Amino acid sequence: DVKVTQSSRYLVKRTGEKVFLECVQDMDHENMFWYRQDPGLGLRLIYFSYDVKMKEKGDIPEGYSVSREKKERFSLILESASTNQTSMYLCASSYGTGSYGYTFGSGTRLTVV
Amino acid sequence: KQEVTQIPAALSVPEGENLVLNCSFTDSAIYNLQWFRQDPGKGLTSLLLIQSSQREQTSGRLNASLDKSSGRSTLYIAASQPGDSATYLCAVRGNYGQNFVFGPGTRLSVLP
Repeated sequence: DVKVTQSSRYLVKRTGEKVFLECVQDMDHENMFWYRQDPGLGLRLIYFSYDVKMKEKGDIPEGYSVSREKKERFSLILESASTNQTSMYLCASSYGTGSYGYTFGSGTRLTVV
Repeated sequence: KQEVTQIPAALSVPEGENLVLNCSFTDSAIYNLQWFRQDPGKGLTSLLLIQSSQREQTSGRLNASLDKSSGRSTLYIAASQPGDSATYLCAVRGNYGQNFVFGPGTRLSVLP
């Protein structure tokens, strides 16, 4: 079974801190994605990556950056955490061709205080 | 821009009932459609993936259909069980994009 692992289930950080959310997949997927999920707003795409060292902005990239130095790992970085970044963060991966679906990680619930 | 809606937003049924969840999308130029289940505070679990050339997919008590021309998909759950209680999301991938667009979900409660 494909596994997408997010390093933390719960995180509490202070305003202004730099925060790293890590995602690792073990099935050699080309594509990786970061979403955030908020009540009433659904899932919104932050960033995605088609290949190592490549990244594309999603719908809400402001306040975030990403890093993909290795194929299996996609990191989301909050440069200076703010309270409005309190959310559930979900990582997904898929093969490069469009005929495959997403596999999601278990999510990271981030609280910024 | 693709928009995905799901009706109803919430549904409560007694155990054993058959039920249908609906998903609509505005742009019929899709590559495929995926149904997910999400338990509270957890990630999304893939249930079924339907390619644009397919009409339906089945897995156990679940059956998903796709009518691309009308912009609709349904998820049919047979003989519902309390363990089916969760939020069900559909997502569509367009012909020219690698990322899925998600609906808001239907929150299902199956009462014992």
